[in-house]
Amino acid sequence: QKEVEQNSGPLSVPEGAIASLNCTYSDRGSQSFFWYRQYSGKSPELIMSIYSNGDKEDGRFTAQLNKASQYVSLLIRDSQPSDSATYLCAVTNTGGFKTIFGAGTRLFVKA
Amino acid sequence: DTEVTQTPKHLVMGMTNKKSLKCEQHMGHRAMYWYKQKAKKPPELMFVYSYEKLSINESVPSRFSPECPNSSLLNLHLHALQPEDSALYLCASSPLAGGTNEQYFGPGTRLTVT
Repeated sequence: QKEVEQNSGPLSVPEGAIASLNCTYSDRGSQSFFWYRQYSGKSPELIMSIYSNGDKEDGRFTAQLNKASQYVSLLIRDSQPSDSATYLCAVTNTGGFKTIFGAGTRLFVKA
Repeated sequence: DTEVTQTPKHLVMGMTNKKSLKCEQHMGHRAMYWYKQKAKKPPELMFVYSYEKLSINESVPSRFSPECPNSSLLNLHLHALQPEDSALYLCASSPLAGGTNEQYFGPGTRLTVT
């Protein structure tokens, strides 16, 4: 079982729709959860962090965390073509330094 | 200044060369990281420094040697690399304040070993 799992996609949504990205993790003691966006040929860019159960909203992005189900999700509202990228889910272990990335979900937003 | 910088942007080296990658941040972050990323794969953690001390070495071959001269600088010394070491090498930093571990990445160094 991989430590952090994501659907590789591609996930294709029309412009203006909601894109829903999902991630599961295996270490029940994980403390910190992150979503990074990576454009082709560029480095990862932090877009959301979440540390406690529930929802966290930042502009068009909402991160959701359910520690009991070991599940993290990212919703992107009013998707734009500029949102087309690979979205990486990242989980930091109990010690706080080791961050493990999922394989990433490729998102395409069609104009 | 909210930037992590890395030099060089591109590096081509032979298997017998010695080279170094450099990373710098001026955000006052106290943890710095090296990752390796192959095409269409996620970043893989190599090393973590916290408060200038090596905290994590993910069983990386000794041909990669990290160094943290001070809290703002992180180097990765390369020696006798193999073609399979060709990848994007990413540096990141995080504040370590408030129990968070939000990591901010530099643009990376694209390394080609010939």
